[in-house]
Amino acid sequence: KQEVTQIPAALSVPEGENLVLNCSFTDSAIYNLQWFRQDPGKGLTSLLLIQSSQREQTSGRLNASLDKSSGRSTLYIAASQPGDSATYLCAVMYSSNTGKLIFGQGTTLQVKP
Amino acid sequence: DADVTQTPRNRITKTGKRIMLECSQTKGHDRMYWYRQDPGLGLRLIYYSFDVKDINKGEISDGYSVSRQAQAKFSLSLESAIPNQTALYFCATSDPGPRGNFGETQYFGPGTRLLVL
Repeated sequence: KQEVTQIPAALSVPEGENLVLNCSFTDSAIYNLQWFRQDPGKGLTSLLLIQSSQREQTSGRLNASLDKSSGRSTLYIAASQPGDSATYLCAVMYSSNTGKLIFGQGTTLQVKP
Repeated sequence: DADVTQTPRNRITKTGKRIMLECSQTKGHDRMYWYRQDPGLGLRLIYYSFDVKDINKGEISDGYSVSRQAQAKFSLSLESAIPNQTALYFCATSDPGPRGNFGETQYFGPGTRLLVL
């Protein structure tokens, strides 16, 4: 069964700290992997998308890496800010024919001022 | 204005009632999806549609039906609501990549919070 797991479920850090969120997937034959941000009362916003042929993607203070052989992806957030507080979701697409995403449970991040 | 809108945003209903959740998008995308989110379980796919004449079941379609009234509209119905359908429901859209595949990201609506008593 294709499953996606995110650890930890919740994380609290002081402002300014660099942090890493983890995502693991059971089937390494992925098509792409995406990281989303979810704010309360709002939908999901795509942060980064990594194709299966790529090793990492960067956007501002965010860097996502992909290691298919180990079934892992990490989202690195540099110099965290209170505005980064949200739930971060990892999602894996296995087939380019369906567009189906398999989501992890998410990591809820709190950045304290 | 938001690209993907959902109505209602919140709904309370009773067991056995029929309800419809609606989704509209202005992105011009052919592909639309319905997901539900439960605490601790992430999002799970209910139904998806590639175009107006195409409907496909996701991993948890039992108890749900959908209607693709137009390219921009995709509705989710609960024919007879039950308490374990209490969840947060999301609609999403996507556009195929250059080769007609799904390399592009999905764009999500704000969600509908449903409570079935």
